[in-house]
Amino acid sequence: DAKTTQPPSMDCAEGRAANLPCNHSTISGNEYVYWYRQIHSQGPQYIIHGLKNNETNEMASLIITEDRKSSTLILPHATLRDTAVYYCIVRDLTGFQKLVFGTGTRLLVSP
Amino acid sequence: DAGVTQSPTHLIKTRGQQVTLRCSPKSGHDTVSWYQQALGQGPQFIFQYYEEEERQRGNFPDRFSGHQFPNYSSELNVNALLLGDSALYLCASSAAGGGYTFGSGTRLTVV
Repeated sequence: DAKTTQPPSMDCAEGRAANLPCNHSTISGNEYVYWYRQIHSQGPQYIIHGLKNNETNEMASLIITEDRKSSTLILPHATLRDTAVYYCIVRDLTGFQKLVFGTGTRLLVSP
Repeated sequence: DAGVTQSPTHLIKTRGQQVTLRCSPKSGHDTVSWYQQALGQGPQFIFQYYEEEERQRGNFPDRFSGHQFPNYSSELNVNALLLGDSALYLCASSAAGGGYTFGSGTRLTVV
């Protein structure tokens, strides 16, 4: 079973920041938080991951709370092409731990 | 650098038939995982192959089997197809401690 909880859907206006929350209250100390997104009928695409510090890359920022029980993915200037299902996943990097997907958040970016 | 390649992209089969799906991993990756994604659901883990052996398996019946070749490519076989096997089948490749790269999937329709 997935160890994360996400809202089923969110809306965002084009050009505005999209903030996608994720709860992972049972996360263990060696588990990372990963975010993937899936645009309709394509394979999931890696966005970002982090352990306990905030992370930023060219796609997004990841804010992890100090107790690590929740996180927020931020798309700073959402575009129509960011419309997708966003999955938050916790994963232990030791060995070959599989990705366990929940149902994700369907983000709709509108003009 | 080619990512993960899956073939075919679409497939229609009749109930009771057998199907083989193929996956070529990203260069430098030695582990292949297979996922099934039903419409409106998150991907569900089928199994993972490393060093030509099945390393992990999800909650799928024995009708689902796989193989990994010495060049790390992989096949997913499904026997005695059921209507409920209709789904998007995703292949993901990875290397130890690294992230997963997904292919675009094979859309299987069972009629």
